[in-house]
Amino acid sequence: EPEVTQTPSHQVTQMGQEVILRCVPISNHLYFYWYRQILGQKVEFLVSFYNNEISEKSEIFDDQFSVERPDGSNFTLKIRSTKLEDSAMYFCASSNPGHNEQFFGPGTRLTVL
Amino acid sequence: AQSVTQLGSHVSVSEGALVLLRCNYSSSVPPYLFWYVQYPNQGLQLLLKYTTGATLVKGINGFEAEFKKSETSFHLTKPSAHMSDAAEYFCAVSDGGGGGADGLTFGKGTHLIIQP
Repeated sequence: EPEVTQTPSHQVTQMGQEVILRCVPISNHLYFYWYRQILGQKVEFLVSFYNNEISEKSEIFDDQFSVERPDGSNFTLKIRSTKLEDSAMYFCASSNPGHNEQFFGPGTRLTVL
Repeated sequence: AQSVTQLGSHVSVSEGALVLLRCNYSSSVPPYLFWYVQYPNQGLQLLLKYTTGATLVKGINGFEAEFKKSETSFHLTKPSAHMSDAAEYFCAVSDGGGGGADGLTFGKGTHLIIQP
């Protein structure tokens, strides 16, 4: 069964460093999403991406964040200069138009020291 | 703006007992509603969804939920709990169908504990 994959499973970085979180969505899906979950809090929507551009973004998704689909398979989330409060689990998801379901990856746990 | 409230961060039931996880939502448009489950160290897996039509929806693993517009609720139930049901459960709402570009709005989650 096709699934969304994410790498790495756990990333530790120093404050101020750039990180790139990687996702491989399900191959025939066209919509891609990033969510985050700070420990003990709810899962929060960050951004959605379609047709090589951002479709929707939340107020969390500020200039520190960017997304890219560098090739036909990967979907990345970049945080330019990490802050302590960026420590969270980051989930990637994908879906197809007309299908009312987003498929989630297992997440990347980001720890900023 | 949408929001989701899940009553009870932790719910404990005995094996074989009824499971009831509560979810209330607010939405300015007819909502699409979802329940996701998360097992340890895994991603979010869709249990069931309500889009349109029948208000009682059945999902995987014996779970079902009923959309009650008058109560703005979408509670999740299972008649008989199994040890394998122990997990984190998230209720979510979307006004764009969940399959378009709209992000899902999640509740804080309910940790379901099954006692032997």
